[in-house]
Amino acid sequence: NAGVTQTPKFQVLKTGQSMTLQCAQDMNHEYMSWYRQDPGMGLRLIHYSVGAGITDQGEVPNGYNVSRSTTEDFPLRLLSAAPSQTSVYFCASIRLGQGTTPHGYTFGSGTRLTVV
Amino acid sequence: SQQGEEDPQALSIQEGENATMNCSYKTSINNLQWYRQNSGRGLVHLILIRSNEREKHSGRLRVTLDTSKKSSSLLITASRAADTASYFCATQGAQKLVFGQGTRLTINP
Repeated sequence: NAGVTQTPKFQVLKTGQSMTLQCAQDMNHEYMSWYRQDPGMGLRLIHYSVGAGITDQGEVPNGYNVSRSTTEDFPLRLLSAAPSQTSVYFCASIRLGQGTTPHGYTFGSGTRLTVV
Repeated sequence: SQQGEEDPQALSIQEGENATMNCSYKTSINNLQWYRQNSGRGLVHLILIRSNEREKHSGRLRVTLDTSKKSSSLLITASRAADTASYFCATQGAQKLVFGQGTRLTINP
């Protein structure tokens, strides 16, 4: 049981380049989400999904696209990278209905992205 | 804007002492969760308290929730060097989980 797997772990992009951050989970979790973490800002929600074919915006969605074609995968796309998108990105998932159980969200280990 | 505000932003104590971190939030919630993050790592879930609960324990952790004041506290008793990390509260409404800015805890030997 691998949990939540994020790839790549590190990435350097030039301004204007595009890339996709991958997130996959093998726990059959309906809910998946993307956060970015910046110093002094905590974690901010970018996009989330409650199931295949359903996505919605979080606090800071501009500059990012997502899609959810399968339950397992929730990729985050940067269409034209900007230095302001330099951050650490985390993917998190949970089975819906578990929000009221002792179980919390499962986080990936993160992707450290630098845009130069 | 973020839901949770944590206090203090940084806390440094001696090993063996108790550490208390506070979290305040703005809107109604279904539950409140606490997470730990070691430097450069992902977040690890510590404990969840539902909106109809007032106190919860897990090992050396004690969490309280006061929905009338929209606040929560995390107490770590008998701290250890391995407790050095950042601690985040996160509030969950209908679906989204929204995080505070975190408290950086340092345990000195």
